Amino acid sequence: DAKTTQPPSMDCAEGRAANLPCNHSTISGNEYVYWYRQIHSQGPQYIIHGLKNNETNEMASLIITEDRKSSTLILPHATLRDTAVYYCIVRVLAGGTSYGKLTFGQGTILTVHP
Amino acid sequence: DARVTQTPRHKVTEMGQEVTMRCQPILGHNTVFWYRQTMMQGLELLAYFRNRAPLDDSGMPKDRFSAEMPDATLATLKIQPSEPRDSAVYFCASGWGTEGRPLHFGNGTRLTVT
Repeated sequence: DAKTTQPPSMDCAEGRAANLPCNHSTISGNEYVYWYRQIHSQGPQYIIHGLKNNETNEMASLIITEDRKSSTLILPHATLRDTAVYYCIVRVLAGGTSYGKLTFGQGTILTVHP
Repeated sequence: DARVTQTPRHKVTEMGQEVTMRCQPILGHNTVFWYRQTMMQGLELLAYFRNRAPLDDSGMPKDRFSAEMPDATLATLKIQPSEPRDSAVYFCASGWGTEGRPLHFGNGTRLTVT
């Protein structure tokens, strides 16, 4: 699985958009970008994933550059409850015995302040 | 909203004692995972099961750790004998086993071995 690079920490004002970058310059053509987050004292929570098209769900949007070497997770209207560690994970959508084998890096600590 | 349930939430024990952690996966999920989180190592995969059969436990210290699924509604992780270096938060996660279907994590068991 390709390695990812994320800033260690970011701040965001409540109500503003939070844009979390992830660099994955060695990504392969069959590797997907996943985002999970971990709120303090809880288990990781799935947010979104994508291959090359931009994706949106009720939680966030995922913007992947055309060359797929980087992506940005967007929380459109951040709230205090979005304060968490955000993990960008790149892996092959292979299924089978590799399903669920997530390699978590250090992630980005997002702090949303009033 | 279906959740992965882990018990106990906290466990303090003395070195050498047996520790058993339990997990109830989401009904219908056929894959179950055990992850461990420490400050030094972050989140790391210990073992996982599909349809109750162990598929991969290469991340688990074999001499003292064991993982089982006695039935589809219960997964257990045992440590015998426990050591201070086992102190960590242990997360259980379950999923449908199909890529694109995210993992659902429990809120973990925080283990402290003194």
